[in-house]
Amino acid sequence: QSVLTQAPSVSGAPGQRVTISCTGSSSNIGAGFDVHWYQQLPGTAPKLLIYGNTNRPSGVPDRFSGSKSGTSASLAITGLQAEDEADYYCQSYDNSLSDYVFGTGTKVTVL
Amino acid sequence: EVQLLESGGTLVQPGGSLRLSCAASGFTFSNYAMSWVRQAPGKGLKWVSAISGSGATTYYADSVKGRFSISRDNSKDTLYLEMNSLRAEDTAIYYCTKVTILTGITSWFDPWGQGALVTVSS
Repeated sequence: QSVLTQAPSVSGAPGQRVTISCTGSSSNIGAGFDVHWYQQLPGTAPKLLIYGNTNRPSGVPDRFSGSKSGTSASLAITGLQAEDEADYYCQSYDNSLSDYVFGTGTKVTVL
Repeated sequence: EVQLLESGGTLVQPGGSLRLSCAASGFTFSNYAMSWVRQAPGKGLKWVSAISGSGATTYYADSVKGRFSISRDNSKDTLYLEMNSLRAEDTAIYYCTKVTILTGITSWFDPWGQGALVTVSS
């Protein structure tokens, strides 16, 4: 069972904006640990999308943005494109478990 | 370019053992912690184990503690995962990943290898 909760799926039309939430607790996100986001395209390995809550690695389009507040974090995709159809996972650290923890994952579908 | 290439995934019987390897290139291997993350078929990502750059410190998820052992050979730029007493629930793709630790509150996984499939079944 994951300690970071995400909605199982979200969908949007091309060009629209979608957001994915990642809800944690006082032992992980709420304790101040940063949140990172990964994109997993079908049949491929995960790829780092956002690190340190808001930062994009080189090569990641600025359509992707991250934020964090309290015990939650969010990933926003603006100008949704067909190539954004993938699974998205948040990740942080939990000091109660002393483990790295991942979210349950959200499947983004482009209508 | 940083590259990670896993090998050793295969079909193994319950109770059996297996060793995964991950060959790294494109960065100074000994300067970075490394980790294994697994993904059961159709499921999400689960952290398995991590090791410091020197290899002196290791970390494990409770689900594998006492059964799995992570190690590294910095002279060969290679990471290992020794898996013993394997169970059906260990069936997964195992990804090798480089860990960037910036501060005590932020560390992330990048990049990831292509994964090695381990199937535990009789």
